[in-house]
Amino acid sequence: GAVVSQHPSWVICKSGTSVKIECRSLDFQATTMFWYRQFPKQSLMLMATSNEGSKATYEQGVEKDKFLINHASLTLSTLTVTSAHPEDSSFYICSARDPTGQFSGANVLTFGAGSRLTVL
Amino acid sequence: GENVEQHPSTLSVQEGDSAVIKCTYSDSASNYFPWYKQELGKRPQLIIDIRSNVGEKKDQRIAVTLNKTAKHFSLHITETQPEDSAVYFCAASLSLSGGSNYKLTFGKGTLLTVNP
Repeated sequence: GAVVSQHPSWVICKSGTSVKIECRSLDFQATTMFWYRQFPKQSLMLMATSNEGSKATYEQGVEKDKFLINHASLTLSTLTVTSAHPEDSSFYICSARDPTGQFSGANVLTFGAGSRLTVL
Repeated sequence: GENVEQHPSTLSVQEGDSAVIKCTYSDSASNYFPWYKQELGKRPQLIIDIRSNVGEKKDQRIAVTLNKTAKHFSLHITETQPEDSAVYFCAASLSLSGGSNYKLTFGKGTLLTVNP
């Protein structure tokens, strides 16, 4: 089926540094990818929609300058947490949809394995 | 925007019993309703989905029902097993056509525990 790869799976960084997380669709092209944030024992909160070749669409309350999203190709989207602080510590998950429905329904979201960010 | 409410937040059942999780949505334009299962520390995985032109869908021990008029849908798991223990999320989507209008809104999740 459709596979989404996400790296790194976990990262620890110092406060003030930037961290980049990559999300790749391995066997399909994704013009749109989605970035979610998940706090412990809580739901998946959509942060932004990453659009290939154009600017990302951010959800209300999400700081564009804090969470930089780049979707430079049909198989790769990156999320950069800039000047990270302890409150940015969280589980970040990307997802993508194969619009052709080759491996699953065209509306099925396939998730990456997630990236656990800890900011010291 | 869309708002999805999910109940209960936690559910504990004995092995072999049935489990039911209910969700309501606010936007009558929503037409796609998937259910995801997330085991501890793992990614959410789709277990079943239903579209608005169907009232019920079943896949072995799992079934989903949809009531468009009332704007609610439910997940039913029969003959529960310990490996069914996980967090289950319902979701609703505004569009099947994709593109910028495609966005899944998730419920808050239900922690299901199946006791042996």
